[in-house]
Amino acid sequence: GIQVEQSPPDLILQEGANSTLRCNFSDSVNNLQWFHQNPWGQLINLFYIPSGTKQNGRLSATTVATERYSLLYISSSQTTDSGVYFCAVVNYGQNFVFGPGTRLSVLP
Amino acid sequence: DTAVSQTPKYLVTQMGNDKSIKCEQNLGHDTMYWYKQDSKKFLKIMFSYNNKELIINETVPNRFSPKSPDKAHLNLHINSLELGDSAVYFCASSQDYVGYGYTFGSGTRLTVV
Repeated sequence: GIQVEQSPPDLILQEGANSTLRCNFSDSVNNLQWFHQNPWGQLINLFYIPSGTKQNGRLSATTVATERYSLLYISSSQTTDSGVYFCAVVNYGQNFVFGPGTRLSVLP
Repeated sequence: DTAVSQTPKYLVTQMGNDKSIKCEQNLGHDTMYWYKQDSKKFLKIMFSYNNKELIINETVPNRFSPKSPDKAHLNLHINSLELGDSAVYFCASSQDYVGYGYTFGSGTRLTVV
């Protein structure tokens, strides 16, 4: 099955800093998504991004499907950005596969 | 209105018991899922349902059985609970099978003692 890797596993930032999270996957996929799990455990869908670039406020994501990676950019980070960021991929007829996550801590 | 609702939020039970977790979505989505999240935060899919039909059953013990009375509901029944079943279980739904509009419930924390 598809393997999903995320880097870095842990990231500590000072409020206001920018960061880039990476997701690598081992095979071509029909869809890729980014999720944020906040410190209270709630999972929020950030981006549906099988290819190309999308932006939503301070967050943006880019997926280069031909090279099997996706990047999540967080600009001007805030303490509310803390939590775990997951990428997940899927192919037709297969189940979603989640990466191990990047644990982000934004310090005030 | 909560888009994907799970009940109960917390469940503490003894080994050997049988328990159910309910999930309902009001988004009109066609696909629903059950996930298990362990203490290290790894998310592992257990079941996927599309329009009330099981489409892929991941390798989970037979003690776990999903039941979908209609496409808005996907319940999880667990027989003979074991200590290793302790985890957070998430229900989710999406508009289609590639995950458009993916929405998670708030999770059920199951503790087996």
